[in-house]
Amino acid sequence: QVQLQESGPGLVTPSETLFLTCSVSDYSISNGYYWGWFRQPPGKGLEWIATIYHSGDTYYNPSLKSRVTMSVDTSRNHFSLRLTSLTAADTAVYFCAREMPGEGYMDVWGKGTTVTVSS
Amino acid sequence: QSALTQPASVSGSPGQSITISCTGTTSDVGAYNYVSWYQQRPGKAPKLIIYNVRNRPSGVSSRFSGSKSGNTASLTISGLQAEDEANYYCCSITNRNTLRFGGGTKLTVL
Repeated sequence: QVQLQESGPGLVTPSETLFLTCSVSDYSISNGYYWGWFRQPPGKGLEWIATIYHSGDTYYNPSLKSRVTMSVDTSRNHFSLRLTSLTAADTAVYFCAREMPGEGYMDVWGKGTTVTVSS
Repeated sequence: QSALTQPASVSGSPGQSITISCTGTTSDVGAYNYVSWYQQRPGKAPKLIIYNVRNRPSGVSSRFSGSKSGNTASLTISGLQAEDEANYYCCSITNRNTLRFGGGTKLTVL
């Protein structure tokens, strides 16, 4: 059964860059599907950040596009998120998920990792 | 991009049915039959309960059903149970290959 696990720093300083990785187990990223990043600020709703295909094709939330880069490493079977110029508004639980290509639903989610932006 | 519109909260008694609406535009909900719904309990990851407007993943109770009319999708939960108390989010693909979520609806089982 496919599983996803997020990893990254719990605390990041304002203006710095966040790096998160999502490790996929029991399923090869190269076999298909899209892979996405999402976040949820404390007490608020879900927000889509970005999606990537194993070929490297990427789709970004227009509101975050200038600060986000998503990449995939098929040899390590994981994908990553880079978010620059962090502010307190980026404080959130970050989730990774498997996404059905062209249909926009996420059938498998990671448990999430909390990221706090604070000095 | 702004969120799809959902009611902030709904409530119902055990055994009753409730419906949560999700209103978008002709660029998202109205454009495709690619609306999905997620259940999220506090401190947990979202769980897919409906995809492609009305399909249920394996293992999801038949008490959950979905529909769509024009730019508005709906999630209905029948035979309400205490365990259904959670936050519910809709999501739609858009005509720009992006994803848009609803603001979320808190379901309270009285």
